[in-house]
Amino acid sequence: GAVVSQHPSRVICKSGTSVKIECRSLDFQATTMFWYRQFPKQSLMLMATSNEGSKATYEQGVEKDKFLINHASLTLSTLTVTSAHPEDSSFYICSARGKTGGGNQPQHFGDGTRLSIL
Amino acid sequence: SQKIEQNSEALNIQEGKTATLTCNYTNYSPAYLQWYRQDPGRGPVFLLLIRENEKEKRKERLKVTFDTTLKQSLFHITASQPADSATYLCALNSGGYQKVTFGIGTKLQVIP
Repeated sequence: GAVVSQHPSRVICKSGTSVKIECRSLDFQATTMFWYRQFPKQSLMLMATSNEGSKATYEQGVEKDKFLINHASLTLSTLTVTSAHPEDSSFYICSARGKTGGGNQPQHFGDGTRLSIL
Repeated sequence: SQKIEQNSEALNIQEGKTATLTCNYTNYSPAYLQWYRQDPGRGPVFLLLIRENEKEKRKERLKVTFDTTLKQSLFHITASQPADSATYLCALNSGGYQKVTFGIGTKLQVIP
């Protein structure tokens, strides 16, 4: 149980393109989803937290107009990197937490999206 | 400032031995701490959660301890196998109950 599917797994595109990444919880309802980015040999950096039906909460230093997050249903959240530039190249990972149990429940992660901007 | 410290140097261990990984934290008062495994190019996979009022937690060959006085958690893998080779991340709640902050991880290599 608790499977999270993230798509696409890899994207290579030109500078200035907008890229959408999808994160789906396949067998549970995710009231909260998290978006992280990870640079090589660095820890996961939380970008934003999204609760279904409400606006995402962004971490300090993350541009909300650059990284658009939509959490329209209990099983789907999307991250759109708008007008991507080479410095946005990174490994983006989503995670989801279910309804039951409260804040100390583990997060279930997708397999990440490797974004490369040329 | 707040810090989560894991030994970023790789840990090499002989198959069959017990691997012990350390997670130290500064300026946090976590209600719980979690351990995850991450393989290259993949997302982390949850392993164990331990609460602040628990000293030890076990799951099969895994054992986690949590010492809130020392501000440290130890993660043990007994009878280690080459398949246990991966990066292990500790994570603790911060800035409220919902948010979790991750350490950089320790890469474990189990040598046959």
